Amino acid sequence: AQTVTQSQPEMSVQEAETVTLSCTYDTSESNYYLFWYKQPPSRQMILVIRQEAYKQQNATENRFSVNFQKAAKSFSLKISDSQLGDTAMYFCAFLVPSGTYKYIFGTGTRLKVLA
Amino acid sequence: GAVVSQHPSWVICKSGTSVKIECRSLDFQATTMFWYRQFPKQSLMLMATSNEGSKATYEQGVEKDKFLINHASLTLSTLTVTSAHPEDSSFYICSAFRQGIRNEQYFGPGTRLTVT
Repeated sequence: AQTVTQSQPEMSVQEAETVTLSCTYDTSESNYYLFWYKQPPSRQMILVIRQEAYKQQNATENRFSVNFQKAAKSFSLKISDSQLGDTAMYFCAFLVPSGTYKYIFGTGTRLKVLA
Repeated sequence: GAVVSQHPSWVICKSGTSVKIECRSLDFQATTMFWYRQFPKQSLMLMATSNEGSKATYEQGVEKDKFLINHASLTLSTLTVTSAHPEDSSFYICSAFRQGIRNEQYFGPGTRLTVT
């Protein structure tokens, strides 16, 4: 069975600084996807970034990038130039694109960006 | 990105009554949809997988007779909380799975249920 671990329940960062959120996972599958979702106070789940396991290149989306270490089963999210609007819960999620298509979510990291 | 709607966004009902929550995939057909429950400051807890044209698959510990799921079309799944009690008060989120190139769940905005 797959598991996803987010070891940082809460983090804070100064506005304009860089912060890294950690996520580790465990699986025996070779084909899978990893996601980072943001959940602001509105509670709408927003996709931040996704990574296909077969891609060696780390995904980037503007100020958001990941450090995908497949052998180490690590998938960290780096937020550069943090903005007040980045304050939210961040969830790491794992998907095997077959069978049930269920996500396995981590427990989340609450990020607060300080002015 | 794809859009998933949920209705209502907020509902209050009396204990013992039933309430229905709708989840619609607005711009793609979804064979598979999911229902989650989220307690404050916690992660999403999967309740069930909704499959178009067949019975839902419930996670362990979820009462299928209390949480009725119907996936009557490729764009609509409904969750009915039957004989609601205050402990059913929670935030319910649905998602629709887009298979193929994306292989990704698209989430609705959620429904806050309060049972008095």
